[in-house]
Amino acid sequence: QQQVKQSPQSLIVQKGGISIINCAYENTAFDYFPWYQQFPGKGPALLIAIRPDVSEKKEGRFTISFNKSAKQFSLHIMDSQPGDSATYFCAARGAGGTSYGKLTFGQGTILTVHP
Amino acid sequence: EPEVTQTPSHQVTQMGQEVILRCVPISNHLYFYWYRQILGQKVEFLVSFYNNEISEKSEIFDDQFSVERPDGSNFTLKIRSTKLEDSAMYFCASSVSGQETQYFGPGTRLLVL
Repeated sequence: QQQVKQSPQSLIVQKGGISIINCAYENTAFDYFPWYQQFPGKGPALLIAIRPDVSEKKEGRFTISFNKSAKQFSLHIMDSQPGDSATYFCAARGAGGTSYGKLTFGQGTILTVHP
Repeated sequence: EPEVTQTPSHQVTQMGQEVILRCVPISNHLYFYWYRQILGQKVEFLVSFYNNEISEKSEIFDDQFSVERPDGSNFTLKIRSTKLEDSAMYFCASSVSGQETQYFGPGTRLLVL
């Protein structure tokens, strides 16, 4: 019940295309859903995050879509660039009182954007 | 921009040896975390630490592991007797509160031979 399932494992997109990564969760106590970007040899860095009271959040070329009833959320990268090539992790965190900040991560998606 | 730092960047040790991984969290942060990532796998939570005590830990964080904040700046993870399966990248993270963004350090790659 604590798992976050992420797909696909890897994704290849042409420059300018749309990259879509999906995540699903089961624990309804999760109330914060961040996406992290990780380049080789580096730590994960927060990209964008959403709370379940909204269905969509957009920051530049990055959009999170959130479906509370389906317990799914996805990351859309518009106009994908070669510099976006990285591993992307979705994550989830429980609400205050049930969590001291523990993040549960998905398996990760290796995104490759070809020029 | 403030960042989490970790030392060493790489550590090679023999099975059964003790290792201490060090982290300097962002200065005004009050919550500290350790995660690990076995090569090619997902990032896994180990432990969270607040107010000089462990607030939550995972099943991975057994008696061989301990954390400490020995002074006002460092946060350490000790593995008392390393096993081969402890080989992983260990990330430290910190946040202002348990409900705020966690910032990750660059990691320490631990290899147990």
